[in-house]
Amino acid sequence: NAGVTQTPKFQVLKTGQSMTLQCAQDMNHNSMYWYRQDPGMGLRLIYYSASEGTTDKGEVPNGYNVSRLNKREFSLRLESAAPSQTSVYFCASSVLGGSSYEQYFGPGTRLTVT
Amino acid sequence: AQSVAQPEDQVNVAEGNPLTVKCTYSVSGNPYLFWYVQYPNRGLQFLLKYITGDNLVKGSYGFEAEFNKSQTSFHLKKPSALVSDSALYFCAVRVALTGANNLFFGTGTRLTVIP
Repeated sequence: NAGVTQTPKFQVLKTGQSMTLQCAQDMNHNSMYWYRQDPGMGLRLIYYSASEGTTDKGEVPNGYNVSRLNKREFSLRLESAAPSQTSVYFCASSVLGGSSYEQYFGPGTRLTVT
Repeated sequence: AQSVAQPEDQVNVAEGNPLTVKCTYSVSGNPYLFWYVQYPNRGLQFLLKYITGDNLVKGSYGFEAEFNKSQTSFHLKKPSALVSDSALYFCAVRVALTGANNLFFGTGTRLTVIP
């Protein structure tokens, strides 16, 4: 059971380049999330998908798009990277409903935009 | 609107001493509260949660947290700190307005346990 996996682990982009961050979970969770982590700001939600076929904006969605490819996979795309998007990106997943509200996190992608 | 405050950016404690990492919250409705730990260059790991019931909840690695409704606090505690507990700790509250189990995180507290 790998849990939540993310690729790549590290990435350096030039301003204006595009890229897609990949996330997959093998816990049969319905909901998936993308966060960014910046020093002194904690984690901020970019987008989430409550269940397969749905996506919604979080706190900081500008400059990003997402795709819920299937129940397992949730990708984050930067169409035109900017230095302000330099951050560590985390994907997470959780069950929907029931009493287990906690989220499970991947190891993160460290992105630098120059 | 919901919010979570971790008033201390940094907490230092000697090995073997008790530790406390503070968290206060503001939510409408019943609070669902969580603690996570992040070790260097790793993702967040779930430690414990309060949903309902006993105000003292126990979690992983000997940690516990006390829910105090009157003080709107959910402080993380451990009776005897280990050097290996040194990490970044996040408090979070569930946002119940959306279809998913969205969490709103505090800014984190860096715990350093001094040998």
